[in-house]
Amino acid sequence: QSVLTQPPSVSAAPGQKVTISCSGSSSNIGNNYVSWYQQLPGTAPKLLIYDNNKRPSGIPDRFSGSKSGTSATLGITGLQTGDEADYYCGTWDSSLSARVFGGGTKLTVL
Amino acid sequence: QITLKESGPTLVKPTQTLTLTCTFSGFSLSTSGVGVGWIRQPPGKALEWLALIYWDDDKRYSPSLKSRLTITKDTSKNQVVLTMTNMDPVDTATYYCAHVYGDPFDYWGQGTLVTVSS
Repeated sequence: QSVLTQPPSVSAAPGQKVTISCSGSSSNIGNNYVSWYQQLPGTAPKLLIYDNNKRPSGIPDRFSGSKSGTSATLGITGLQTGDEADYYCGTWDSSLSARVFGGGTKLTVL
Repeated sequence: QITLKESGPTLVKPTQTLTLTCTFSGFSLSTSGVGVGWIRQPPGKALEWLALIYWDDDKRYSPSLKSRLTITKDTSKNQVVLTMTNMDPVDTATYYCAHVYGDPFDYWGQGTLVTVSS
């Protein structure tokens, strides 16, 4: 049981937009930065979004992040088949004094 | 550029101690704000954070695994070592090390699969 809650799966057609939610509490998302990671099949996770809404160099602006209260959202526009992957949110939990991740969301591009 | 690579045994027996080494390049663990963390992922399951060590030797551990984990650094060798005692089959996972500067894990190693079996 993950501290951060994500939907197990989402799907959308190529070219469409999808959002992935990450729900937490005041001890984690509510008072700390959120990051998002993309894990393509058989590969290591890759940082997509940090500090709630910033993109590392090289990450296309099709990927966006936002945070409101104790929830965060990853948005992906112009879906491509190459976006099929598992996506994880992560943050610090001040009560647990621990880094925490969501359970992951599998994106299928139909 | 920043790279990290995990190394260690691929197979350990139950009750044994696992020792994993993260060898990195492109940054120094003596630079203020820099850290290296360990994260694992059982087959088909989610990421789980294990431990983190910072440039000033500040160490953080997963509360659920703290009694079994030790993280150390060798700045001169550009290495971070994680030891996990009393291994169990449920500890079978791919173990990753990752660079931290500020908040996120911004660079990850390729991971190493560790199987716990007799």
